[in-house]
Amino acid sequence: QKEVEQNSGPLSVPEGAIASLNCTYSDRGSQSFFWYRQYSGKSPELIMFIYSNGDKEDGRFTAQLNKASQYVSLLIRDSQPSDSATYLCAVRLGGSGYALNFGKGTSLLVTP
Amino acid sequence: GAGVSQSPSNKVTEKGKDVELRCDPISGHTALYWYRQSLGQGLEFLIYFQGNSAPDKSGLPSDRFSAERTGGSVSTLTIQRTQQEDSAVYLCASSLTGGETQYFGPGTRLLVL
Repeated sequence: QKEVEQNSGPLSVPEGAIASLNCTYSDRGSQSFFWYRQYSGKSPELIMFIYSNGDKEDGRFTAQLNKASQYVSLLIRDSQPSDSATYLCAVRLGGSGYALNFGKGTSLLVTP
Repeated sequence: GAGVSQSPSNKVTEKGKDVELRCDPISGHTALYWYRQSLGQGLEFLIYFQGNSAPDKSGLPSDRFSAERTGGSVSTLTIQRTQQEDSAVYLCASSLTGGETQYFGPGTRLLVL
């Protein structure tokens, strides 16, 4: 079983702080990594994807990938109450399989 | 443009009945995926369609589950003889091609009584 692990939280941060969300994966063959945000009762929406080791920045969001250590993280700068949601880490293997393997998600609460 | 649409949005059925869930992918997307999300669980992959290729059925939990995709567009997920453990949100996603970013529909919330 190829695992994607996330701390379920809730992770609580004050407004304006940096929220750090972490994800580890078990399969070294994993090629692509995705962060989705899911508001309660809604479907997941893509925030970022990352394929290469290092950092990738998009606005207030930074994804970090370390394949040697098999972890991927998402940093949210200047957190806003509207960022309160569950963040899902998803991993795709290389080769012909295109399905995503999701973690159970981390619940983030940004307090005013 | 229009996103992925799914119907019905909610479905309540009795144990033992069959249900059909529908997904309309984004126009032009050749890849279509079905996932389900049970309470407190992560998204679980069910099945993947890519163009005219044979579908990847490796995630289907039992032979009560089947899916088809007609004309390379609309897909129907069928659950036969539903069980209470089938209660979940069934999510459909599509992508331009296999491996591209997946965009999710709003889901169908299935409750089996």
